[in-house]
Amino acid sequence: QITLKESGPTLMKPTQTLTLTCSLSGFSVSADGVGVGWIRQPPGKALEWLAIIFWDGDMRYSPSLKNRLTITQDTLKNQVVFTMTNVDPVDTATYYCARGTRRPRCSGGNCYFYDYWGQGTLVTVSS
Amino acid sequence: QSVLTQPPSVSAAPGQKVTISCSGSSSNIGSNYVSWFQQLPGTAPKLLIYDNDKRPSGIPDRFAGSKSGTSATLGITGLQTGDEADYYCGTWDGRWGPWVFGGGTKVSVL
Repeated sequence: QITLKESGPTLMKPTQTLTLTCSLSGFSVSADGVGVGWIRQPPGKALEWLAIIFWDGDMRYSPSLKNRLTITQDTLKNQVVFTMTNVDPVDTATYYCARGTRRPRCSGGNCYFYDYWGQGTLVTVSS
Repeated sequence: QSVLTQPPSVSAAPGQKVTISCSGSSSNIGSNYVSWFQQLPGTAPKLLIYDNDKRPSGIPDRFAGSKSGTSATLGITGLQTGDEADYYCGTWDGRWGPWVFGGGTKVSVL
């Protein structure tokens, strides 16, 4: 059974650094053709894509946030860690991690689609 | 303002059909595969359609996706009360991405 579970703080103060962990079950973060991405959703608003790390360690970031984001993988713990620096109240959102699966006979970052999602974790930024 | 444009809401009576459009450009829908996600109230998004028109295992054929040029469409036939949810399109974007989502469409069953 494939599952993803996000964990981390629920309340942050402005300027702090947010660190979230995505724990994976049923698949390996380093398996060929796998990626793990982060997506967030402010209350009552649309989904916003943030970052992805691929099975080979390659990473992609949202252009508007790339200076604040870092995504890494821990193959021993089978986890993906996401950090966002200098948080602000506008960063209040539910943060999801999701598995990216590469379609057959395709190479490149545009070959992945998100087939399994975690339940999400709500992070509130407030002074 | 989302890169992909969806109508804010659509509605229909039980048993009827609704269609949700997703409009993009050559850098996203025009050159990449489209996915659709269903988000029931208070839950995480769930993959509904991938590669424009493919359904994951367990998704009923009442849900159908298509793509033409720089637009994609999700159709839901035989509408049920359990289909009330927000629906999002998403795809890779070589210019604004890497990945972009639509603004979401709320489906209501009258």
